[in-house]
Amino acid sequence: QSALTQPPSASGSPGQSVTISCTGTSSDVGGYKYVSWYQHHPGKAPKLLIYEVSQRPSGVPDRFSGSKSGNTASLTVSGLQAEDEADYYCCSYAGGNNPHVVFGGGTKLTVL
Amino acid sequence: QVQLQESGPGLVKPSETLSLTCAVSGYSISSGYYWNWIRQPPGKGLEWIGSIYHSGTTYYNPSLKSRVTISVDTSKNQFSLKLSSVTAADTALYYCAREHHHGLIDYWGQGTLVTVSS
Repeated sequence: QSALTQPPSASGSPGQSVTISCTGTSSDVGGYKYVSWYQHHPGKAPKLLIYEVSQRPSGVPDRFSGSKSGNTASLTVSGLQAEDEADYYCCSYAGGNNPHVVFGGGTKLTVL
Repeated sequence: QVQLQESGPGLVKPSETLSLTCAVSGYSISSGYYWNWIRQPPGKGLEWIGSIYHSGTTYYNPSLKSRVTISVDTSKNQFSLKLSSVTAADTALYYCAREHHHGLIDYWGQGTLVTVSS
């Protein structure tokens, strides 16, 4: 099982938008609508931001949005705020004979 | 409010078996959902270890499958992880979590650090 590919870092100034990519294969990201995104502040439990590619749980600001094209999913954070500085992980369902879940390597988002 | 709490030894010797338990409160495991173990080695990203459905069906990370066993005890409302033949590479912060389906994880424990060292 290979981790999904994310850029190790991303950055932006307050108010700007940043997009984080997550590349997998047709066996995971490209094959299903089940991509989720998590925000992780060190020392705290990860928080669900996006599920099923583009759905937001209640309570998550609409500044966070998700999309997918082919084998690559993306998370866009608009109107960057200082509290958005965290690690972000994508996650995908991978079907087949041995259904499982796979995470991306994580992206450290820095708000300049 | 659903809460999950990991417990177990913080230090395990190489070649031995790592055993952790996740106690769930605020929700009955037997009512549904998938119950997951996820870990984060120091300085690295999240790695999915495996999950168990409330009925007992298990799903494992293909790269860990030969060493992992996840079980559930509905009478105690808890589930457990056993990872055999551990090495230093298994040193990590271990999280338990509740999954709706297909990677949609809504509740996480705070995590417990397990160090593999002699």
